[in-house]
Amino acid sequence: KQEVTQIPAALSVPEGENLVLNCSFTDSAIYNLQWFRQDPGKGLTSLLLIQSSQREQTSGRLNASLDKSSGRSTLYIAASQPGDSATYLCAVPGTALIFGKGTTLSVSS
Amino acid sequence: NAGVMQNPRHLVRRRGQEARLRCSPMKGHSHVYWYRQLPEEGLKFMVYLQKENIIDESGMPKERFSAEFPKEGPSILRIQQVVRGDSAAYFCASSLGPQETQYFGPGTRLLVL
Repeated sequence: KQEVTQIPAALSVPEGENLVLNCSFTDSAIYNLQWFRQDPGKGLTSLLLIQSSQREQTSGRLNASLDKSSGRSTLYIAASQPGDSATYLCAVPGTALIFGKGTTLSVSS
Repeated sequence: NAGVMQNPRHLVRRRGQEARLRCSPMKGHSHVYWYRQLPEEGLKFMVYLQKENIIDESGMPKERFSAEFPKEGPSILRIQQVVRGDSAAYFCASSLGPQETQYFGPGTRLLVL
């Protein structure tokens, strides 16, 4: 049974800091991995989707990497801003998506 | 092109009442997924439907919960005789096909008093 774990559960950083969010999964037979952002009381916004054939995917200040063999993905956020404060979720496909519990990020100005 | 729509956005029910949550998928999408997010928990899959068919309901509680996706109209998640533990955010997602990218709606936040 696939399980997705995200560490840390919460993270507080000052503005401008670079940071890394971690996601691990138990079954490496995945064909993609997706990172989402969720603002309080809101829905999910897809940030990056990495196909299993890719090792990295970039969008602006965000960079996601995928290492299937080790069952890990990281989301790197460069030069963090207060507007980056949100919960970040990673998900892998099963019948539907299987989510981690998320990392709640707080960026202070 | 409108995204996935869910209504109502907020729903308050008293214990024992029925809750009906609606999801209109993106145009052209015939696959719908329902997820539940309990307080302090991650999103959990509930049910996967294609037009007029339930494909996988392995995440649905065995009692009181049902879902449908008729040929015409939105997908409906129905919760009968709600209890306080049903209070959660319910999200719907749609896709063009199986294993295609899922697009999420804004969610319905159910509060059971």
